[in-house]
Amino acid sequence: NFMLTQPHSVSESPGKTVTISCTGINGNVADNYVQWYQKRPGSGPTTVIYDDYQRPSGVPDRFSGSIDRSSNSASLSISGLKTEDEADYFCQSYESNNVVFGGGTKLTVL
Amino acid sequence: QVQLQESGPGLVKPSQTLSLTCTVTTGSITSGDYHWSWIRQPAGKALEWIGHVYTSGSTKYNPSLESRVAISIDTSKNQFSLKLFSVTAADTAVYFCARDRRAAAGMSWFDPWGQGTLVTVSS
Repeated sequence: NFMLTQPHSVSESPGKTVTISCTGINGNVADNYVQWYQKRPGSGPTTVIYDDYQRPSGVPDRFSGSIDRSSNSASLSISGLKTEDEADYFCQSYESNNVVFGGGTKLTVL
Repeated sequence: QVQLQESGPGLVKPSQTLSLTCTVTTGSITSGDYHWSWIRQPAGKALEWIGHVYTSGSTKYNPSLESRVAISIDTSKNQFSLKLFSVTAADTAVYFCARDRRAAAGMSWFDPWGQGTLVTVSS
């Protein structure tokens, strides 16, 4: 079965740029669209990136997504980090009979 | 702006049935070509898609849960519901409802989500 793996946690300072990876196992990440969700405690997830690199309206352009075929990974980059970006981030894709989520990455901005 | 809200018991005994309802509080559940999904997250673990229902009542489930799950829809109440049978402690999780914007095309994208509700399975 297709799976997605993410680092458990990352940390970076305000104003810097952080990149979170989402690596495919038993399948190609580039074959299907990848979505990225932000989840803060007590709230449901919200979309920050859909279709690999598209931003929903209202999401600042500090958030960007990309696909790297050579490493079979999707990436979420956040530039100009703000303390409000501290949250869990999940990647999500799909295969023929199922939906696949990454394990989530806790971003600490300190 | 569509909003979703989960409701249901926070505590369920082992071997019993977990029942949750998701109410679409703004907007109509029949508006647009969307599927309505349930997703859960056990503490410290990844999100897991449970399944979805279409406005016609047709359903699709995660193969790992298919034998114990039933999702239904009540368009007159703007609600859809989850039943998970024969629960164990492993079913303890935060349960989310969400709208799948592209399930019909097989390219799931969940937006928006409810805030989630914690269900604990314990005697």
